Amino acid sequence: DSGVTQTPKHLITATGQRVTLRCSPRSGDLSVYWYQQSLDQGLQFLIQYYNGEERAKGNILERFSAQQFPDLHSELNLSSLELGDSALYFCASSVEPYNSPLHFGNGTRLTVT
Amino acid sequence: AQTVTQSQPEMSVQEAETVTLSCTYDTSENNYYLFWYKQPPSRQMILVIRQEAYKQQNATENRFSVNFQKAAKSFSLKISDSQLGDTAMYFCAFMETSGSRLTFGEGTQLTVNP
Repeated sequence: DSGVTQTPKHLITATGQRVTLRCSPRSGDLSVYWYQQSLDQGLQFLIQYYNGEERAKGNILERFSAQQFPDLHSELNLSSLELGDSALYFCASSVEPYNSPLHFGNGTRLTVT
Repeated sequence: AQTVTQSQPEMSVQEAETVTLSCTYDTSENNYYLFWYKQPPSRQMILVIRQEAYKQQNATENRFSVNFQKAAKSFSLKISDSQLGDTAMYFCAFMETSGSRLTFGEGTQLTVNP
């Protein structure tokens, strides 16, 4: 168990809808990352937060947004969903915003129908 | 931008034997970190081993070891005494020292046969 908690585990929704994925980092970790893993592909970095502030942004679509709250949990909001957004979304956390190994949650599997 | 390449989409090995997974990367950085992550059928991402580029000694974690060739930008993973539980997708990943963003390779699906 990595200590990173993601909810829900599975999510099925229709095109055009909006969903929110939630992540609680390991105790003591201040940095949170979101990654997207499409079918049979590697992980693509979406966005990083450190202590509530956005630190780095990757290939995140404008339809997607995220935030980290004062209690350090993070939410990834996906709107105007398309079939291609179906993927496994991972949250990871680390102690520092750099040079720290990432510990991953079990992911949220999103299916858009 | 950094890139990570895993040229072996699939590999198989017999139980108790040794297997080596290949990874190459491209960067202009001098200091960085390299990782191997394991993703079993449960889809969880599990950190296997970590190597710091400024350390010449190859990292080792029990049955897992790496062969880090900095000049060649190569970072292979050796699994000794393979076990059925080692069956998983293995991802090589790069992290620059100025940040914690991981750049992943495409993955190698390893199957350990009984």
